[in-house]
Amino acid sequence: SQQGEEDPQALSIQEGENATMNCSYKTSINNLQWYRQNSGRGLVHLILIRSNEREKHSGRLRVTLDTSKKSSSLLITASRAADTASYFCATPSSGNQAGTALIFGKGTTLSVSS
Amino acid sequence: DAGITQSPRHKVTETGTPVTLRCHQTENHRYMYWYRQDPGHGLRLIHYSYGVKDTDKGEVSDGYSVSRSKTEDFLLTLESATSSQTSVYFCAISESAATTSSGNTIYFGEGSWLTVV
Repeated sequence: SQQGEEDPQALSIQEGENATMNCSYKTSINNLQWYRQNSGRGLVHLILIRSNEREKHSGRLRVTLDTSKKSSSLLITASRAADTASYFCATPSSGNQAGTALIFGKGTTLSVSS
Repeated sequence: DAGITQSPRHKVTETGTPVTLRCHQTENHRYMYWYRQDPGHGLRLIHYSYGVKDTDKGEVSDGYSVSRSKTEDFLLTLESATSSQTSVYFCAISESAATTSSGNTIYFGEGSWLTVV
């Protein structure tokens, strides 16, 4: 199965700054998703970008996808302390039942201090 | 919040004992998943189900079995628990498969913390 790899593993910024996280994956995909996980909680879906899209926005989130480089980035603008969480990219698995499941990367831990 | 309930939420068990984790959903979603989350490994897929009685293995399925006799319930069994299975287990659900054109938003439960001593 393929797996996205996030970079950096950890990121510490001040409130008001922008946070950028990157994800690289291995094989062709038709969509890529980003999820967020607060400490001790389950993951929550943030945004999905299809392979024919290059950029997508949702509130303070901006996601880009470069299929030629097999990479994606998540930008959080004007970060707040409440954005402190781990962020994961996820791609459809390959090699099993019609790519049924999502495979997650190891995540980027974002810490936003006030 | 998606209607997903995991039970138990916390459990301590001894090595060699069988353990069953239950996931119950009220969304009538076709697909259900079990993931484990460990430091340094992120989330890894254990097993998933694409319908009642239809299941398949994920990347870390050794030592685990699953069953889905009803749409709403997906059980994960550790046949003989080992210390390496100490982890946080997440159940998740989705309406569609990952490779559909619209993708599949996955909804996660709150997790089950399992400690094997």
